[in-house]
Amino acid sequence: TQLLEQSPQFLSIQEGENLTVYCNSSSVFSSLQWYRQEPGEGPVLLVTVVTGGEVKKLKRLTFQFGDARKDSSLHITAAQPGDTGLYLCAPGGSYIPTFGRGTSLIVHP
Amino acid sequence: DAGVIQSPRHEVTEMGQEVTLRCKPISGHDYLFWYRQTMMRGLELLIYFNNNVPIDDSGMPEDRFSAKMPNASFSTLKIQPSEPRDSAVYFCASSLMGGETQYFGPGTRLLVL
Repeated sequence: TQLLEQSPQFLSIQEGENLTVYCNSSSVFSSLQWYRQEPGEGPVLLVTVVTGGEVKKLKRLTFQFGDARKDSSLHITAAQPGDTGLYLCAPGGSYIPTFGRGTSLIVHP
Repeated sequence: DAGVIQSPRHEVTEMGQEVTLRCKPISGHDYLFWYRQTMMRGLELLIYFNNNVPIDDSGMPEDRFSAKMPNASFSTLKIQPSEPRDSAVYFCASSLMGGETQYFGPGTRLLVL
């Protein structure tokens, strides 16, 4: 059983489009981490959201933590081919990290 | 720092052979994690260590898998005997503290024929 459910599982879009991916759970987390894994590489941390309702921006990426700290979303504006990769979420503040299955994003030029 | 180092990067072996994967964590990191990634099951935590001591190995599939961390700068994951269903990418990651940012190695791509 996955602690975190991510959706959609796959996303294939054209350059310039906007998209949102989701990370949901029935559990409350003290924080939540977003990682991106590029093809052939290991995951790399993008951001950690900590406060319920928090919004963090990383250039064209906007991360939001739900008010109840059970869910999070990642919005990408004007996607570029360099955004291609697997986006994973994981609970922070937990000694036993359990990653979601991830959203596999392909951005076509 | 060079980051987390894993070797080999690729391994092709035949069913029944022993496979040993190696990992050097980032210096000073107290936690080390071993993961397995497949299309079907995603990124699965196999085992993790704190200060060289195994804390949770509930993710280890079966007795064919074993992991050791003899010192703070080296860990191994061994599969004996290997089976085709073990084919996957195996990642090692380390973190300064539990629940903090994990730094992943480049992975070992294992193919068992």
